[in-house]
Amino acid sequence: QSVLTQPPSVSAAPGQKVTISCSGSSSNIGNNYVSWYQQLPGTAPKLLIYDNNKRPSGIPDRFSGSKSGTSATLGITGLQTGDEADYYCGTWDSSLSAGRLVFGGGTKLTVL
Amino acid sequence: QLQLQESGPGLVKPSETLSLTCTVSGGSISSSSYYWGWIRQPPGKGLEWIGSIYYSGSTYYNPSLKSRVTISVDTSKNQFSLKLSSVTAADTAVYYCARIRLRMDSSGWYNAFDIWGQGTMVTVSS
Repeated sequence: QSVLTQPPSVSAAPGQKVTISCSGSSSNIGNNYVSWYQQLPGTAPKLLIYDNNKRPSGIPDRFSGSKSGTSATLGITGLQTGDEADYYCGTWDSSLSAGRLVFGGGTKLTVL
Repeated sequence: QLQLQESGPGLVKPSETLSLTCTVSGGSISSSSYYWGWIRQPPGKGLEWIGSIYYSGSTYYNPSLKSRVTISVDTSKNQFSLKLSSVTAADTAVYYCARIRLRMDSSGWYNAFDIWGQGTMVTVSS
């Protein structure tokens, strides 16, 4: 059971926009930066967004990130079939006596 | 271009120690800006951070695994390693190594796994 909650699945048609939420608390998202990862089937995760809303070099601007309070959101516009993947949010969590890096449970994106 | 490659046995017996090494190429593991870490993913499940190490040897471990985990670094070989003791079937997973931007300031913890290895499947079975 992750401290970060994501919807198990989302879906949308090609060309449309989709958002994926990541809900946490003041022990994690509320006071730390959020990153997002894309994991295509059978491959390693890839960094999509860091520091809440920054894109690494090579990531198209169809991908965006935002944070408000204890929640974060990944947005994907102009959906393509190649965007079908699992998406994970991540941050630092200090709810235990020792801090730790945590991931959300993941969201499977289906492009219909 | 920086690359990471995991290596180690694909099969480990229950109660034994899982040992993996990550070799960094195309850059130095002694970079002052990054930590290096291990993440695992059981079949069909999500990601779990195991722990991270700085080139100086400073470590962070997941509290849920801390009693069984040791991460070490060998700067002369540009490698870092994972040892997970007393393994059970629950430790069966794909194990990834990754470079991590990890620092804290007054705004909170900056954290991002920005480069990943391809992953290696480790099965715990007799």
